[in-house]
Amino acid sequence: GAVVSQHPSRVICKSGTSVKIECRSLDFQATTMFWYRQFPKQSLMLMATSNEGSKATYEQGVEKDKFLINHASLTLSTLTVTSAHPEDSSFYICSARDGNSLSSYNEQFFGPGTRLTVL
Amino acid sequence: KNQVEQSPQSLIILEGKNCTLQCNYTVSPFSNLRWYKQDTGRGPVSLTIMTFSENTKSNGRYTATLDADTKQSSLHITASQLSDSASYICVVSPYSGAGSYQLTFGKGTKLSVIP
Repeated sequence: GAVVSQHPSRVICKSGTSVKIECRSLDFQATTMFWYRQFPKQSLMLMATSNEGSKATYEQGVEKDKFLINHASLTLSTLTVTSAHPEDSSFYICSARDGNSLSSYNEQFFGPGTRLTVL
Repeated sequence: KNQVEQSPQSLIILEGKNCTLQCNYTVSPFSNLRWYKQDTGRGPVSLTIMTFSENTKSNGRYTATLDADTKQSSLHITASQLSDSASYICVVSPYSGAGSYQLTFGKGTKLSVIP
């Protein structure tokens, strides 16, 4: 159980275009989802936290108009990188928290990541 | 400021050998500490999770220890295999009564197991 998928796994796009990345919880309801980006040899950096049905909370320095997050259902969150530029090239990872879990760990389950390359 | 520091930054060991990775944290108040394995180009996969009351937890050949007093944790890998080559990330979850679930990540230790 507790599987999180991401689609696509890899995307290459031209500068100026928009790219949408999907994050799905396959076997649980994710009341909260998180979006991270990771640069080579760096740790994960939290971009934003989204709760189902409400606006995402962005971390300081993350442009909300550039990184649009939608969490319209308990199993799906999307991240859209608008007007992508080469500096947006990175590894984007989502995670999801099982809102119905009785565990005291508040565990987050991570997706496999999406490699974005902007030419 | 909440921080998680890991050492060594990278490590190369021979297949079949054991190794221990270290994690020091300053997160307070503290809820739980996790170790993840991240293969290149993949998302992190959970190995162990421990609360402040747990001193050790095992998952196959992986054994994590936690000393909440000194704010230190270690991950011991026994009889390493080539497939253990990956980055190992220490992640600490702060306790927040307001329901914040943000995690503090270490930079990871890159382990390379060679034949």
